[in-house]
This record gives sequence, C-alpha cells and structure tokens, in this order.
Amino acid sequence: EAGVAQSPRYKIIEKRQSVAFWCNPISGHATLYWYQQILGQGPKLLIQFQNNGVVDDSQLPKDRFSAERLKGVDSTLKIQPAKLEDSAVYLCASSFAGAQTEAFFGQGTRLTVV
Amino acid sequence: DAKTTQPTSMDCAEGRAANLPCNHSTISGNEYVYWYRQIHSQGPQYIIHGLKNNETNEMASLIITEDRKSSTLILPHATLRDTAVYYCIVRITGTASKLTFGTGTRLQVTL
Repeated sequence: EAGVAQSPRYKIIEKRQSVAFWCNPISGHATLYWYQQILGQGPKLLIQFQNNGVVDDSQLPKDRFSAERLKGVDSTLKIQPAKLEDSAVYLCASSFAGAQTEAFFGQGTRLTVV
Repeated sequence: DAKTTQPTSMDCAEGRAANLPCNHSTISGNEYVYWYRQIHSQGPQYIIHGLKNNETNEMASLIITEDRKSSTLILPHATLRDTAVYYCIVRITGTASKLTFGTGTRLQVTL
C-alpha cells in the first residue's frame, strides 16, 4: 500500500519569499492533516480537512499560511511571505474518517528560512 | 481534548521491557488514548489505541487504569530500533476528531 507522499523533501528559501508544499494522501482517506514540527517539539496541528472542507484551522497563521485540498484528494500548504521562525518540518498525514482510525504520516518537508 | 503528562526521557536496556507512563487525569468518557512514536527524521507512526480495556498488538501493549486517568505503553522486548520519541494522545470520538501531540517521552534503548 502506498503511503502518504510529500514533496519536496527539503527546501531552503530566504525570508519574505514564498514556498509551497504538496501532499498526496493514501487513497480513500477522507481526513488530511498538516502539522508543523519545530526542532525539539511535538508536531503542532495547523489545519485539518475532512474531504475538501476545513474542520479545524485554529492554529494556522492565516496572515501568511494558506492551505487547500482540491477535490478532496491532494493538498497544498503555502507560506507567503516566509519568516525565520517558519523553519520547521511540515508533516502531512491522512486517515479514514472517524476517531478510531490511525493516521498515517508522510516523511515531511524540512523547510529552512535564511 | 484532555491534556497528557509524560516523562521527558527514559532509558531501557535492549531486550528488557520498556514501560512508558502517561497521565491523563482529565480524560472524558468519550476520549480514547492513542500512542504514536517518532523515530529520528521520520513522521510519527501509530502504535496502539484503547478506550478502557487493555489492548495488545504486534508492536506493544496498552494498559489503562480502571479510572482511566493514566495508562502505560509496554514494549515487551525493546530493541535499539525502538529508540524514538513516544507520544501519548487523548482523542475525542467523532468524525472530525483532532490528533493533538504533546512533547512526548524520548526513549533511549541501550546495549
């Protein structure tokens, strides 16, 4: 079974530039999550989709971050403009709908803002 | 979602059982206990979950106290590959349930 695919694996940008991350979830998974993980901390949920609708985006810095999930499948997370404190690993995860289902995580995209 | 408290770090000798505690004293009746782990440079990996009964799978056992205020994840025979950060998560039931991570326990398995 194919896992959650993310690209790119690594990205280095200068502050004030924009960047986009892509996630392809496991086929059939209705729920998709984006997390930000700063070095030494646990993953922090940025946004959660159920199909193509947003369930929770309370911790998404909406002045600079945006995310979409077209047709309820692939998703992109964008940062514009980037700040130094956005340096982190961005993780995408997916699961079937429901609380008793496990979430599968991608390898993440490591972003460095210089 | 209920908060969880875990020790920052633990050590375990290879071949021995690793017992990782988690306190979730404010857990509600409709909240599950989940465990994930994260090996260095990888995304988190699901281990096990339970509501009130003890659970076992090929990876680990989950022991939940009768009052559900705490739980223990048991890796019966730890190996070096079990070195990781282990996260205990309390998750409410429902279709749009969030998966909220804390800081976890860093388990170091040594020879």
